[in-house]
Amino acid sequence: SQQGEEDPQALSIQEGENATMNCSYKTSINNLQWYRQNSGRGLVHLILIRSNEREKHSGRLRVTLDTSKKSSSLLITASRAADTASYFCATVPYNAGNNRKLIWGLGTSLAVNP
Amino acid sequence: EPEVTQTPSHQVTQMGQEVILRCVPISNHLYFYWYRQILGQKVEFLVSFYNNEISEKSEIFDDQFSVERPDGSNFTLKIRSTKLEDSAMYFCASSDGGYGYGYTFGSGTRLTVV
Repeated sequence: SQQGEEDPQALSIQEGENATMNCSYKTSINNLQWYRQNSGRGLVHLILIRSNEREKHSGRLRVTLDTSKKSSSLLITASRAADTASYFCATVPYNAGNNRKLIWGLGTSLAVNP
Repeated sequence: EPEVTQTPSHQVTQMGQEVILRCVPISNHLYFYWYRQILGQKVEFLVSFYNNEISEKSEIFDDQFSVERPDGSNFTLKIRSTKLEDSAMYFCASSDGGYGYGYTFGSGTRLTVV
């Protein structure tokens, strides 16, 4: 079953605007993570929010988590052309034990136009 | 900053051939993973490895796949008899196991089966 689902699938904004991406998931989690992927490149960890946290900030990134709705949002403020990439949410299931695999969403493709 | 290193970055192989994808995880990490991403699709979990053994494998990880940690530093994924549908980006990741930290991914190996 598909755990993480992001929306929108694609987002195009102007430089300086804020970008908001959402992620929903199905099962209980230990934590939720956001990753960035430039075209054809590796996955870069951006931020992690634990299930007992509601909001977290890192630089221009703000992540919220609503466990009652099983959803998270990633806000990038004052976007730059260099933020153009795909953004994925990934969850670690609750009670993951020694297998802490990440379950991924489909991603949001963000284009920031100069 | 510590990195996960993957080699080769690109590999083209003929259908039916065996390939070995190599990864050097971060030295003090305990958990190791292989994921793959077929072009344009979501990232899929293949296998997790902890304490020198597989802790979980997905249904994708059938008998044609195997993993090894031969020398305490390298972590390899072997695909025994490649199929066209094995063409994908393969990512290695490692983590220290703490739930509060993200995973570090390598830059990936792009495998093309012809």
